[in-house]
Amino acid sequence: DAGVIQSPRHEVTEMGQEVTLRCKPISGHDYLFWYRQTMMRGLELLIYFNNNVPIDDSGMPEDRFSAKMPNASFSTLKIQPSEPRDSAVYFCASSFGAWTEAFFGQGTRLTVV
Amino acid sequence: SQQGEEDPQALSIQEGENATMNCSYKTSINNLQWYRQNSGRGLVHLILIRSNEREKHSGRLRVTLDTSKKSSSLLITASRAADTASYFCATLADRNSGSRLTFGEGTQLTVNP
Repeated sequence: DAGVIQSPRHEVTEMGQEVTLRCKPISGHDYLFWYRQTMMRGLELLIYFNNNVPIDDSGMPEDRFSAKMPNASFSTLKIQPSEPRDSAVYFCASSFGAWTEAFFGQGTRLTVV
Repeated sequence: SQQGEEDPQALSIQEGENATMNCSYKTSINNLQWYRQNSGRGLVHLILIRSNEREKHSGRLRVTLDTSKKSSSLLITASRAADTASYFCATLADRNSGSRLTFGEGTQLTVNP
């Protein structure tokens, strides 16, 4: 398996624009996580899914953020409208089972100018 | 908020020396995991220790867990320059709290050749 695949690797966008980050989890994994990493706040869990169903979105900072998982092999994290403070590295991770290790993608570095 | 807190925040050692990093957490856990992150890359899982385990080994890694003190340590023996990275502890809360894998702030390890 190629591991967790995220796209794009880098995204630069202007304030107010919509941003969509994409993730393909490892085949067979039933949990998918979206994290955000910044120098100030470290690694924050935004939302996680189990079997394509959102379980906990309490980490989603604002209504500007939304995440979907239409099927077992694809998830998106959307920010609309984007703001400079959304600049961060966004990671997607997946796991098999609830109590196991997570496998991370390479991340998407988002810069909002 | 971050569940785990790593100590020290930064550690610089010479190749061949041992590196010890500590992690403290606040709530009861199902397991504790250690991850490594090279600059600009995703996180890589190193080792998982369950709440009923006290010590675990994997190659040059040794992890201990003291649930009474809510703390864990990661020991890397005979360090190499390639071990230079950030190391994070992450906790999985008990079953009643869902599957939130919560990360600490990380320890930046530098191994000088």
